[in-house]
Amino acid sequence: SAVISQKPSRDICQRGTSLTIQCQVDSQVTMMFWYRQQPGQSLTLIATANQGSEATYESGFVIDKFPISRPNLTFSTLTVSNMSPEDSSIYLCSVRTGGEKLFFGSGTQLSVL
Amino acid sequence: ELKVEQNPLFLSMQEGKNYTIYCNYSTTSDRLYWYRQDPGKSLESLFVLLSNGAVKQEGRLMASLDTKARLSTLHITAAVHDLSATYFCAPRRYNTDKLIFGTGTRLQVFP
Repeated sequence: SAVISQKPSRDICQRGTSLTIQCQVDSQVTMMFWYRQQPGQSLTLIATANQGSEATYESGFVIDKFPISRPNLTFSTLTVSNMSPEDSSIYLCSVRTGGEKLFFGSGTQLSVL
Repeated sequence: ELKVEQNPLFLSMQEGKNYTIYCNYSTTSDRLYWYRQDPGKSLESLFVLLSNGAVKQEGRLMASLDTKARLSTLHITAAVHDLSATYFCAPRRYNTDKLIFGTGTRLQVFP
């Protein structure tokens, strides 16, 4: 299985500010995925991050709001920009490290006031 | 567009009883995942179902996949309190690792 570390684990932010979430994996992976889980809801895919290329975003998500970096094969960041209370969610990264399973990070619980 | 329906949304069951959670999806998918989530926690991988007719079992949980019917089931046998959690099914978009999650089934097992 993969060890996927996310930082911060939780944060409380003021509206209009930005937060960068880090995802670190203990092995090299080609693709990393970012998901959002709004309170009491299921998970929704935000974007796919490939090393060396721009992230690809799902419908309803845009780069200006959720810029993503992928500087190497073990690390990625997701920034939530110009936050509003509607951005309060758990943000999770996901990877597949060989094998068939897709693993999720510990998650970042974000509250926007 | 791949859409996923899961039912029931909420399941309250007595210890020792059996029950099944259903996961229907709308278009072709070549792989389906089941996850467990405890309150305030991340997702724990339970099963990956790779082909039509696949059946996997772990302890009191058994998952199956019928790709022709676009249906997966998670069967709970002789439920115990420790199984209380939210269970998600997630078929993947064909030939990608992008998962589309169901609504989740919140399971509560009581004595």
